[in-house]
Amino acid sequence: AQSVAQPEDQVNVAEGNPLTVKCTYSVSGNPYLFWYVQYPNRGLQFLLKYITGDNLVKGSYGFEAEFNKSQTSFHLKKPSALVSDSALYFCAVRNTGGFKTIFGAGTRLFVKA
Amino acid sequence: GAVVSQHPSWVICKSGTSVKIECRSLDFQATTMFWYRQFPKQSLMLMATSNEGSKATYEQGVEKDKFLINHASLTLSTLTVTSAHPEDSSFYICSASPSGKNTGELFFGEGSRLTVL
Repeated sequence: AQSVAQPEDQVNVAEGNPLTVKCTYSVSGNPYLFWYVQYPNRGLQFLLKYITGDNLVKGSYGFEAEFNKSQTSFHLKKPSALVSDSALYFCAVRNTGGFKTIFGAGTRLFVKA
Repeated sequence: GAVVSQHPSWVICKSGTSVKIECRSLDFQATTMFWYRQFPKQSLMLMATSNEGSKATYEQGVEKDKFLINHASLTLSTLTVTSAHPEDSSFYICSASPSGKNTGELFFGEGSRLTVL
């Protein structure tokens, strides 16, 4: 069965500092991995994905994520946080033969000015 | 591209009435759409997979007679909450992926907040 774990309910970071939002996954076969962001009372917006190839994936708004197969992790990172990055972030996984996307519990990011 | 429109954004209804929520893919075709429910401070719970021209596939524990899903065309899926009760109050979100792109990301509607009085 597929599962996604986001171990932190909340991450606090000062503006200008680097940020990391953690994600680990469990899936049979090769995973398709995604990060989405949600602002209050809105739907989710796609940030980036890993399908195959380079382990470092770059996405929207300066975000990037690194796929680590041995650690089954796909942490989201940004070199310099902005206050406007404050939102709810979801990691998601789908297996290669599957159709459903499974979401983690979400991590709320607070960036303080 | 890849815009999903969801309507209405907010709806308040009386207990016992039915509410319909529409999900449209505006610039792509989607043979499959997904309906999620999100509780406050919680993740998205997949309710059902909506299949164009056939019956929806419901997740375990989701009442198919309570949450009616119709996917009549390649760009429209509807979720009807029948005989709504206060416990059905929630944020409902639909998503879709362009047909044939199994590796693709999902595109989400803006969500519909249902409040049942």
